[in-house]
Amino acid sequence: SAVISQKPSRDICQRGTSLTIQCQVDSQVTMMFWYRQQPGQSLTLIATANQGSEATYESGFVIDKFPISRPNLTFSTLTVSNLSPEDSSIYLCSVGGQGYQKLFFGSGTQLSVL
Amino acid sequence: SQQGEEDPQALSIQEGENATMNCSYKTSINNLQWYRQNSGRGLVHLILIRSNEREKHSGRLRVTLDTSKKSSSLLITASRAADTASYFCATGNNQGGKLIFGQGTELSVKP
Repeated sequence: SAVISQKPSRDICQRGTSLTIQCQVDSQVTMMFWYRQQPGQSLTLIATANQGSEATYESGFVIDKFPISRPNLTFSTLTVSNLSPEDSSIYLCSVGGQGYQKLFFGSGTQLSVL
Repeated sequence: SQQGEEDPQALSIQEGENATMNCSYKTSINNLQWYRQNSGRGLVHLILIRSNEREKHSGRLRVTLDTSKKSSSLLITASRAADTASYFCATGNNQGGKLIFGQGTELSVKP
């Protein structure tokens, strides 16, 4: 199993600003995944972050809006840029377990944009 | 795009009753998983069933998979108030850990 520390747990931001979310894992992992969960909705994968290479973004998500850093095998950040009220969501980081089949999740960041 | 559809969207039962949630998906899969989410926080993995399995048990959980119908069900027996949460199915197709999540079922167990 993996223990993931995600912060902040929640934040309230003004329109036009940015928020950076951090995820720290207690073991080295090759891939980390960032998900968005809009209010009352399911999880949508934003991007896959590999150490030492550019993140791979899913359709509908772009690097300018969601830049990701992955400086080492235990840490990643997701920035949500130029915030608008539509960005109000829960953002979750996750890592794969053995064989990258099941996922372990951080506790999530609840973002509200005013 | 989301591939899983779950029903019901919401389920309210009394403690001690069984809860059944269903999930359908559209494409071929390697495995199907169920996760639980309390109050919009991080998800917790409950159980994984591989595409060549038809049924799996874990404690009070029973999962079935019918690949011909592209559907799965999660049964929670003898439910408890602490089972109140949202439950999501997720499908994997060996794309390096990438999962596609269903819409979720919100379960409320009343004491």
